[in-house]
Amino acid sequence: EAQVTQNPRYLITVTGKKLTVTCSQNMNHEYMSWYRQDPGLGLRQIYYSMNVEVTDKGDVPEGYKVSRKEKRNFPLILESPSPNQTSLYFCASSLYGSGIGFSYNEQFFGPGTRLTVL
Amino acid sequence: DQQVKQNSPSLSVQEGRISILNCDYTNSMFDYFLWYKKYPAEGPTFLISISSIKDKNEDGRFTVFLNKSAKHLSLHIVPSQPGDSAVYFCAASAGDNDMRFGAGTRLTVKP
Repeated sequence: EAQVTQNPRYLITVTGKKLTVTCSQNMNHEYMSWYRQDPGLGLRQIYYSMNVEVTDKGDVPEGYKVSRKEKRNFPLILESPSPNQTSLYFCASSLYGSGIGFSYNEQFFGPGTRLTVL
Repeated sequence: DQQVKQNSPSLSVQEGRISILNCDYTNSMFDYFLWYKKYPAEGPTFLISISSIKDKNEDGRFTVFLNKSAKHLSLHIVPSQPGDSAVYFCAASAGDNDMRFGAGTRLTVKP
């Protein structure tokens, strides 16, 4: 089954304790992205990756890191989480990113990770 | 700075009637627009899209209309069904790999 998986689905942690949220897709997609969803703000892009070893900042990258060592995996790293990073996080992938010369492709989203930082 | 706005946080309609969800944008460089649907405890799923070279795209019960001069798009669902009850996100892209989403509209379709 084609899917995007995220782990963990729920996480409660404390300020400053490093954490990683994993994301994996089995569709051989080149483009992957992380979003956070907050009430009244919708989905805001944190980081995206056009392909292996190619990552770039989205709208709200502060306090986050990502890596793309393999095509299927795109982990989100919070080196020193703070309470303002409490949110619902979604990973997404698409065959290609949008852009000149590419076909636009809809993104497939994972089920979400609800993170609470105390 | 929210470049994509969904000004109605919620909408309630009767089963069988039309649902109209609205979305406004400010960036004239946006050239591709999408609607996603989200059920509780699930990720958003793609519903329908439209390129800026078109003003209408239809897929079954779902139609998206784009008015570029007004920087406005809308999603029409006809007829509405209880299973359509979900949060709907409007999204836009300027071809720069940066997808911008609205805050979402919660649609409730009453039987």
